[in-house]
Amino acid sequence: AQSVTQLGSHVSVSEGALVLLRCNYSSSVPPYLFWYVQYPNQGLQLLLKYTSAATLVKGINGFEAEFKKSETSFHLTKPSAHMSDAAEYFCAVSSGGKLIFGQGTELSVKP
Amino acid sequence: NAGVMQNPRHLVRRRGQEARLRCSPMKGHSHVYWYRQLPEEGLKFMVYLQKENIIDESGMPKERFSAEFPKEGPSILRIQQVVRGDSAAYFCASSPGSGRIDEQFFGPGTRLTVL
Repeated sequence: AQSVTQLGSHVSVSEGALVLLRCNYSSSVPPYLFWYVQYPNQGLQLLLKYTSAATLVKGINGFEAEFKKSETSFHLTKPSAHMSDAAEYFCAVSSGGKLIFGQGTELSVKP
Repeated sequence: NAGVMQNPRHLVRRRGQEARLRCSPMKGHSHVYWYRQLPEEGLKFMVYLQKENIIDESGMPKERFSAEFPKEGPSILRIQQVVRGDSAAYFCASSPGSGRIDEQFFGPGTRLTVL
């Protein structure tokens, strides 16, 4: 069975600091991995996806993620946090068409 | 191109009533997925439908819940005899195909409150 685990339910950073949100996956087949962002009372928006074309994936809003097979990880990073990045972030793996989500990480950005 | 539309955005029901949640996929999308987000939890898959077919309902509770995606009209998630534990945000997503790499586009969700 495929699954993802997000380490840290809450992450707080200062504006301008590095953002690092952790995601580890478990999959018996090459995984297709996604990061979504959810702003309060809204639906999910795709940040980026890994489909085996390149291990370093660039997404919207300055986010990127690196697929590391040896570490079974797909961590999300952004060099410099902005106040508008405050939201909940979900890592997900595709399984037979459906998405299996992690528990989510709430990102707070302090001024 | 309008995104995924869900209505109502907020729904209040008393215990024992029925809840009907509607989802109109993006234009050209024939695959619909329903997810549920319980308070303090992540999103859990419920059901995956194509037009007139249920592809995967492994996440649906065995009783009281049903879903359909008719040839014409929106997809409907129906919850009969609601209980307080059904209070959650229900999200619909759509995709153009069934491939594993296809992005799913999410609607704004319906927030169900059961009194």
